[in-house]
Amino acid sequence: DGGITQSPKYLFRKEGQNVTLSCEQNLNHDAMYWYRQDPGQGLRLIYYSQIVNDFQKGDIAEGYSVSREKKESFPLTVTSAQKNPTAFYLCASSTTGTSPLAQYFGPGTRLTVL
Amino acid sequence: AQSVSQHNHHVILSEAASLELGCNYSYGGTVNLFWYVQYPGQHLQLLLKYFSGDPLVKGIKGFEAEFIKSKFSFNLRKPSVQWSDTAEYFCAGRANNNDMRFGAGTRLTVKP
Repeated sequence: DGGITQSPKYLFRKEGQNVTLSCEQNLNHDAMYWYRQDPGQGLRLIYYSQIVNDFQKGDIAEGYSVSREKKESFPLTVTSAQKNPTAFYLCASSTTGTSPLAQYFGPGTRLTVL
Repeated sequence: AQSVSQHNHHVILSEAASLELGCNYSYGGTVNLFWYVQYPGQHLQLLLKYFSGDPLVKGIKGFEAEFIKSKFSFNLRKPSVQWSDTAEYFCAGRANNNDMRFGAGTRLTVKP
């Protein structure tokens, strides 16, 4: 089945540790995105990438880092510099171009920092 | 800056009532607009999308939305809601740079 997978579903980390969230897609999409979802704030864009080896900061990139070494993968690292990392993280992908399609979303990873 | 805003944070309706959820955007130029739904415990799913052409867009499950350029709005409507429509609804917009922005979401509760 084509889609986006995120792992793990739940993740617990101690304060001060970096943690990497996985996102893989087999939709052959060029663009991939990371969002953070908090109650009452909707989805806020952390980083996005329109092509391999290139990515741009979103609205709340501070304390996060990404890489895009392969088209299928867009891992997100939550660093110890992120002041409030406990949240639900969503990965998405889409095609690009003049008539972009909608984004497809993964199931999300709930990160809890203890 | 590009942004999308949703006016209603929580809407409570009885079954068979009509629904209208507000969405406004601040993009200039060409814009693509979307409504997504997130049912409890499920992925975000696309309800409908507007790229160009007919400003009245029909989506899945009886939902529709109207793009009104003069009002920078893209409100979601459904003539008669069901208990199964209970979910969170997100409006989103994207300009040519492929940078998608979401509204804060509206939680819809439909009472049986």
